[in-house]
Amino acid sequence: KNQVEQSPQSLIILEGKNCTLQCNYTVSPFSNLRWYKQDTGRGPVSLTIMTFSENTKSNGRYTATLDADTKQSSLHITASQLSDSASYICVVEGSQGNLIFGKGTKLSVKP
Amino acid sequence: EAQVTQNPRYLITVTGKKLTVTCSQNMNHEYMSWYRQDPGLGLRQIYYSMNVEVTDKGDVPEGYKVSRKEKRNFPLILESPSPNQTSLYFCASSFIAGGMTDTQYFGPGTRLTVL
Repeated sequence: KNQVEQSPQSLIILEGKNCTLQCNYTVSPFSNLRWYKQDTGRGPVSLTIMTFSENTKSNGRYTATLDADTKQSSLHITASQLSDSASYICVVEGSQGNLIFGKGTKLSVKP
Repeated sequence: EAQVTQNPRYLITVTGKKLTVTCSQNMNHEYMSWYRQDPGLGLRQIYYSMNVEVTDKGDVPEGYKVSRKEKRNFPLILESPSPNQTSLYFCASSFIAGGMTDTQYFGPGTRLTVL
């Protein structure tokens, strides 16, 4: 069964610190993997998209990595800010255009 | 302004009363999709469409219908809503490039309560 699992479920860090969120998937065939940021009650906003041939992609302080062999991805946030408090969702697209979402990691950045 | 709009934003209805949630995008995107989001379950895909007159089931299509008669619109229809369809619904759209979807743009969400 196609699944996307994220860890941790929730995370609290201090402002200015770095953190790394994990994503494991079993989706096959695989088209691409993306990370979204979702503020409470709002629609997700895309951070990165990576195909199977890409190992890393950055968007400002966000850097995503992908290991297609082990089916793992990570999202690294550098020098966290209070505005980074949100849920971060890992999404895998299958070859038919279907999208499978992880349940997200809820990040809280404290001053 | 490029955007995805959904209407209504909030809806309270009763079991069995047919309803339609509209979704419209002004970016000429080929791909459109509906999701529901429930606490503890995350976002789940209901239906998606790769182009006009082409629709496919996502993970949780039961109890829902969609149509794609025009490129810009992708309404979600609940013929006979039930309380387990109480949820937050999102519509999204994107271009299709190289055989896969590009960056998806999400609408503001529709909070539906079925009594």
